[in-house]
Amino acid sequence: EAGVAQSPRYKIIEKRQSVAFWCNPISGHATLYWYQQILGQGPKLLIQFQNNGVVDDSQLPKDRFSAERLKGVDSTLKIQPAKLEDSAVYLCASRSPGGSGANVLTFGAGSRLTVL
Amino acid sequence: DAKTTQPNSMESNEEEPVHLPCNHSTISGTDYIHWYRQLPSQGPEYVIHGLTSNVNNRMASLAIAEDRKSSTLILHRATLRDAAVYYCILRVSLYNFNKFYFGSGTKLNVKP
Repeated sequence: EAGVAQSPRYKIIEKRQSVAFWCNPISGHATLYWYQQILGQGPKLLIQFQNNGVVDDSQLPKDRFSAERLKGVDSTLKIQPAKLEDSAVYLCASRSPGGSGANVLTFGAGSRLTVL
Repeated sequence: DAKTTQPNSMESNEEEPVHLPCNHSTISGTDYIHWYRQLPSQGPEYVIHGLTSNVNNRMASLAIAEDRKSSTLILHRATLRDAAVYYCILRVSLYNFNKFYFGSGTKLNVKP
């Protein structure tokens, strides 16, 4: 099966500019996650979708970050305006449905953001 | 609010077994223990998971303590391709969804 697709792979912007990341999960995976991974740290959950509804966005800085998942498939994560501390890799993951492979996350390669 | 504690780094010789420890003292009865690994410039990839009993698959084995407050990921014969950051994760069931809590990971260095 095709993996989780993310774009762009790399993005360099100046502070106060905006940026958007796109994710296409594995077909049939209802749950989609966006994680932020700062260099040298483990991934931190930003937002979790079940189909096109948000089930957890408690760690999302809502004054500057937004995310949507239209039609329960693709998702976009937007940052506006960006700050220096937003420099990180943004990882998208989707979760397999029930069965023997249940509750296993599949990650994309990530989008590396550098804010200057 | 990481729920797992791991050593920052470990080193192993090629073709020797590696035991990667993880503490999760606040684990509750329905929380699953997952392990993922992350190679450079890639997203994390699934390794193994379990609830109470020890688990084996083609990649590794997972040994879970009887009180479930700790676990160990075992790579039976480390290869250079196993050099990665290994994350011990708790999957917590909340209301109607699951949440995965990543720790800071153990960077494994494999020496030839």
